[in-house]
Amino acid sequence: AQSVTQPDIHITVSEGASLELRCNYSYGATPYLFWYVQSPGQGLQLLLKYFSGDTLVQGIKGFEAEFKRSQSSFNLRKPSVHWSDAAEYFCAVATNYGGSQGNLIFGKGTKLSVKP
Amino acid sequence: EPEVTQTPSHQVTQMGQEVILRCVPISNHLYFYWYRQILGQKVEFLVSFYNNEISEKSEIFDDQFSVERPDGSNFTLKIRSTKLEDSAMYFCASSDSLAGGETQYFGPGTRLLVL
Repeated sequence: AQSVTQPDIHITVSEGASLELRCNYSYGATPYLFWYVQSPGQGLQLLLKYFSGDTLVQGIKGFEAEFKRSQSSFNLRKPSVHWSDAAEYFCAVATNYGGSQGNLIFGKGTKLSVKP
Repeated sequence: EPEVTQTPSHQVTQMGQEVILRCVPISNHLYFYWYRQILGQKVEFLVSFYNNEISEKSEIFDDQFSVERPDGSNFTLKIRSTKLEDSAMYFCASSDSLAGGETQYFGPGTRLLVL
């Protein structure tokens, strides 16, 4: 069965520092991969997604993610974190195989705190 | 920018009561979803809906749950007889395709507390 693992529950970084949030997936074929962000009281906002092609994808708010098939990973990165990036980040996979007609499978999320 | 809206933002109910959670998807979208997130756990898929019928549902979506598109704009999730374990944040989402790679746009959620 498909699954998504986000090994870090909570990460704290200093403002201006770089950020990498880890995501590993389990799926036999190439999945569709997503990163969503949730600010308090808000819905899930799409940061970026990967379908195929270039394995480095650019998203909104200066985020990027790299798909590495050999490591089954889709880590999210940002070179310089801003205080407004404090939120919870969710990695998700969608499949169009075996009856899973596009529903998303989420990781548990990583809460990001930003120190001034 | 178009967005998905949900009402109410919070709902408290007694165990055994019926609740209806409401969603207004993005207007030109045709595919609708409900997910839930129990506190401290993953966001979980409940059901997808297209053309006035359920496309897919998870094993969580048992007979206590139903979905409906009563008019051209609303999409509702009904829980007939709530249980304590139904306490969660419920997210509605919509997309313009059911394909695996299409973006699903999420609403802000309804936090349901069953006492």
